[in-house]
Amino acid sequence: RKEVEQDPGPFNVPEGATVAFNCTYSNSASQSFFWYRQDCRKEPKLLMSVYSSGNEDGRFTAQLNRASQYISLLIRDSKLSDSATYLCVVNTMEYGNKLVFGAGTILRVKS
Amino acid sequence: NAGVTQTPKFRVLKTGQSMTLLCAQDMNHEYMYWYRQDPGMGLRLIHYSVGEGTTAKGEVPDGYNVSRLKKQNFLLGLESAAPSQTSVYFCASSSTLGLDTYEQYFGPGTRLTVT
Repeated sequence: RKEVEQDPGPFNVPEGATVAFNCTYSNSASQSFFWYRQDCRKEPKLLMSVYSSGNEDGRFTAQLNRASQYISLLIRDSKLSDSATYLCVVNTMEYGNKLVFGAGTILRVKS
Repeated sequence: NAGVTQTPKFRVLKTGQSMTLLCAQDMNHEYMYWYRQDPGMGLRLIHYSVGEGTTAKGEVPDGYNVSRLKKQNFLLGLESAAPSQTSVYFCASSSTLGLDTYEQYFGPGTRLTVT
């Protein structure tokens, strides 16, 4: 079983739509949680951290459920520029702050 | 600041050849990492370093070696390339201070093909 699992998609949505991605992780010792964004043939970049109380950054909302070991990302009012692969990432404090990456969920926003 | 840079950006090797990938960061970060990214697999940690002169194995270290002689540089070596090492290689770095401890900054990647 993969340590971090995501629906690979692709999610094809029209501009202005709301879309949600889910992610599950297997290591209950995981301490930190993130969403990274990766554009085609580019490096991953931090989108936002995920806090236990849930957090919002503009059109993006992240939620964490430690009991279910589940992380979500909600994107409201999708823009064409949101098209990318979204990586669910957890930190387990192993390997010097090792980040464990999900394989990513592809989002395509169409006009 | 350039952030994290990697050289080369692309490379084609024949099976059995060797090469070194160079990663440099100008953010004075203590931690540096080498990952590989393959389709459907997510990024996987090859080796990492928690400071100058130190290196350690990640989850997929076989076939690779690393060195961190200077704080700003982290080298990844392939001694005898194999087709299974065809991948995109990303270097990353992170600081150890405050709330930014866990954010890793990535270089642009090296696309390696082994024929």
